Amino acid sequence: ETGVTQSPTHLIKTRGQQVTLRCSSQSGHNTVSWYQQALGQGPQFIFQYYREEENGRGNFPPRFSGLQFPNYSSELNVNALELDDSALYLCASSQQDREYGYTFGSGTRLTVV
Amino acid sequence: GNSVTQMEGPVTLSEEAFLTINCTYTATGYPSLFWYVQYPGEGLQLLLKATKADDKGSNKGFEATYRKETTSFHLEKGSVQVSDSAVYFCALSPPGAGSYQLTFGKGTKLSVIP
Repeated sequence: ETGVTQSPTHLIKTRGQQVTLRCSSQSGHNTVSWYQQALGQGPQFIFQYYREEENGRGNFPPRFSGLQFPNYSSELNVNALELDDSALYLCASSQQDREYGYTFGSGTRLTVV
Repeated sequence: GNSVTQMEGPVTLSEEAFLTINCTYTATGYPSLFWYVQYPGEGLQLLLKATKADDKGSNKGFEATYRKETTSFHLEKGSVQVSDSAVYFCALSPPGAGSYQLTFGKGTKLSVIP
């Protein structure tokens, strides 16, 4: 079975720009979540999608938005980038059953300069 | 709200030493509990899990027991190897249908020296 793949692996953007990060879920998974991991910290939940609808959101401003597609792949969009947005962004997929935990991708390292 | 507190690192051990990484949580009801491991430059890998009180999760020689009375989920391994060097994260997901949001601790960096 394929795992979770994310692209790109690294990205450098300028403050004020917009960025789109992509994620392909593990085969058979119908739920995708995005996390932000600042350097030296644990991941922070951004939002979750199930059947193409957002069904949970963490404490992130509206300039963080997402999409889930019929094939369960997903995008994370961030507008008006700020320096504090520099982090590792992790995508995680699962079946709709929390007991099995998530499968995480290797992440996209975003640097805002 | 939900929270996870891990012992602060870094932790440095000699090969074959005993490992304990403490984790306590705050949550209502009975959350599911997880340990994830992150190797340098990589994403998170699920190490083990427990979904109800007194469950013991185990994998690759690591184990952790869900203790409701002490709200703890401490990670242990009897004999660590150099290859266990990584950052370990304790996490919970709250009970209830549709509640899949993971809340993580800050992570504990483990270094094992030969």
